[in-house]
Amino acid sequence: AQRVTQPEKLLSVFKGAPVELKCNYSYSGSPELFWYVQYSRQRLQLLLRHISRESIKGFTADLNKGETSFHLKKPFAQEEDSAMYYCALDNTGKLIFGQGTTLQVKP
Amino acid sequence: EPEVTQTPSHQVTQMGQEVILRCVPISNHLYFYWYRQILGQKVEFLVSFYNNEISEKSEIFDDQFSVERPDGSNFTLKIRSTKLEDSAMYFCASTQRGILRETQYFGPGTRLLVL
Repeated sequence: AQRVTQPEKLLSVFKGAPVELKCNYSYSGSPELFWYVQYSRQRLQLLLRHISRESIKGFTADLNKGETSFHLKKPFAQEEDSAMYYCALDNTGKLIFGQGTTLQVKP
Repeated sequence: EPEVTQTPSHQVTQMGQEVILRCVPISNHLYFYWYRQILGQKVEFLVSFYNNEISEKSEIFDDQFSVERPDGSNFTLKIRSTKLEDSAMYFCASTQRGILRETQYFGPGTRLLVL
């Protein structure tokens, strides 16, 4: 069955520290993966997608098919990165989401 | 930049009542979606809609749910007889072409509370 797992509910780091938000998936096919972010009281918005391979707001994510992972990374966290982060898999047009990880960046 | 809008932002209703949640997708988008998120749980797909028809629906989307595009701009989700377990945040999303790997744009959500 298609599934997305984000093992951490909460990740708390200090400003300037590296961040890695974990995402593992289960999918029988060629996956298309996304990271969505939800800042406080705002809508879900796309942060980045696997296929574009770009860096947004300093975040990157690499698809590792061997480990079935799509971890989100940033070398130096900023306070404004504090938000809820969702990993999602595109399954024929519908998105399958992970549980989400709250990132808290402390000053 | 155009955005998906949803109304109302909050709705409180009594169990057994009908509710209609409204969404205005981005104007040149053709594919529409509803998702829901029960408090503390993951965002779950409910239904996708294209060309005035349901494209796909999840197990959650039973006979109590229906969707409609009553005019050229609105996309609605109706829950016929609400249950306590329907309390959740409901998100509408839209895409332009509905193809695989296309970004879905989300509305701000409607928080539904069933008492």
